Amino acid sequence: GAGVSQSPSNKVTEKGKDVELRCDPISGHTALYWYRQSLGQGLEFLIYFQGNSAPDKSGLPSDRFSAERTGGSVSTLTIQRTQQEDSAVYLCASSLTTTPQYFGPGTRLTVL
Amino acid sequence: QKEVEQNSGPLSVPEGAIASLNCTYSDRGSQSFFWYRQYSGKSPELIMFIYSNGDKEDGRFTAQLNKASQYVSLLIRDSQPSDSATYLCAVKPYGGSQGNLIFGKGTKLSVKP
Repeated sequence: GAGVSQSPSNKVTEKGKDVELRCDPISGHTALYWYRQSLGQGLEFLIYFQGNSAPDKSGLPSDRFSAERTGGSVSTLTIQRTQQEDSAVYLCASSLTTTPQYFGPGTRLTVL
Repeated sequence: QKEVEQNSGPLSVPEGAIASLNCTYSDRGSQSFFWYRQYSGKSPELIMFIYSNGDKEDGRFTAQLNKASQYVSLLIRDSQPSDSATYLCAVKPYGGSQGNLIFGKGTKLSVKP
């Protein structure tokens, strides 16, 4: 079946602009995760959704970052007033239970 | 601070040899351990997961877990040039978020023909 999909695959924006990144998880997967990967760095956990429970936002680096998940499926990660240090690959993953996690292709964000 | 440590490499092995990738973790209560393969410019792909002490084999891959030593490894037998990638070790720590995995920074493997 279809894997995790993300859009856009690439996003170039200007400093100070808002961006929205989209994730469509594997059908039936109840858990959805956002990570980011900066050049030469490991994967950094951002936020986790499980079913209808309140999301775990413990990894969000600042209040400029937010995410929502509508209807228990598609998720949108929003970054407001983007900064150059936000440039990274944003990865979405989903799982049937808490693990293992399967990753989407990622969105490469470049903030000029 | 819960950490996962990997040698960044590059680890270079000849084609047909066994590649041994190692990972240590700081949270003694960790329960689940994962190896992901990441080709350059691509997203991580799940290779193996292991929950119990000992070895778990899947084709050319063997994951080894030693919870007492807080050590997990991945062996790749009969290494192929197509195995050249960065291998990420990930650990689900005890407590905290039910979903959060802690990732190492990865070991870059190069298999020479």
